[in-house]
Amino acid sequence: GAVVSQHPSWVICKSGTSVKIECRSLDFQATTMFWYRQFPKQSLMLMATSNEGSKATYEQGVEKDKFLINHASLTLSTLTVTSAHPEDSSFYICSATGVQPLNIQYFGAGTRLSVL
Amino acid sequence: SQQGEEDPQALSIQEGENATMNCSYKTSINNLQWYRQNSGRGLVHLILIRSNEREKHSGRLRVTLDTSKKSSSLLITASRAADTASYFCATDSWGKLQFGAGTQVVVTP
Repeated sequence: GAVVSQHPSWVICKSGTSVKIECRSLDFQATTMFWYRQFPKQSLMLMATSNEGSKATYEQGVEKDKFLINHASLTLSTLTVTSAHPEDSSFYICSATGVQPLNIQYFGAGTRLSVL
Repeated sequence: SQQGEEDPQALSIQEGENATMNCSYKTSINNLQWYRQNSGRGLVHLILIRSNEREKHSGRLRVTLDTSKKSSSLLITASRAADTASYFCATDSWGKLQFGAGTQVVVTP
């Protein structure tokens, strides 16, 4: 149980285009979803926290107009990287909580974004 | 920002040996968690230790927590090649996780 699916796993796009990443909780209702960014051989940096039906809370330094988060249902959150540039290339990972104990996060497999 | 430091950054051991890694953090916590990440994949939760606990076991994993020193350790006993991964500690402060830099563990057969 507590499976989180993230799609796509890998995406290459041209500079200036937008990319949408989906995060779905498959067998539970996710009260909260989190979006992280990870650079090679580094730690995860929290970008934003989203609750279903409300606006996402972004961490300091994360551009909310660049990284649009929508949490339209209890099982789906999306991250859209708008007008992507090469410096946005990274590994993006989502996680969700909603299964007891509520302080454990269940992670998607991640999305590798390469912007050319 | 990163909450803490992990030590060592990398660890190479042979199958059957024990692997120990340490994590230090800076602020007060509700609990501390350890996660594992295989290369290019998401994270998998391993174990959670509450701030009022000092030691916890789960299978071949043993976690200690010293809140006075703001540090934790993860011990993997009788390691296997399949334990090869990066291990991260994460402190939980009011529902948000802050991850350490991670320890990359390689277990050779």
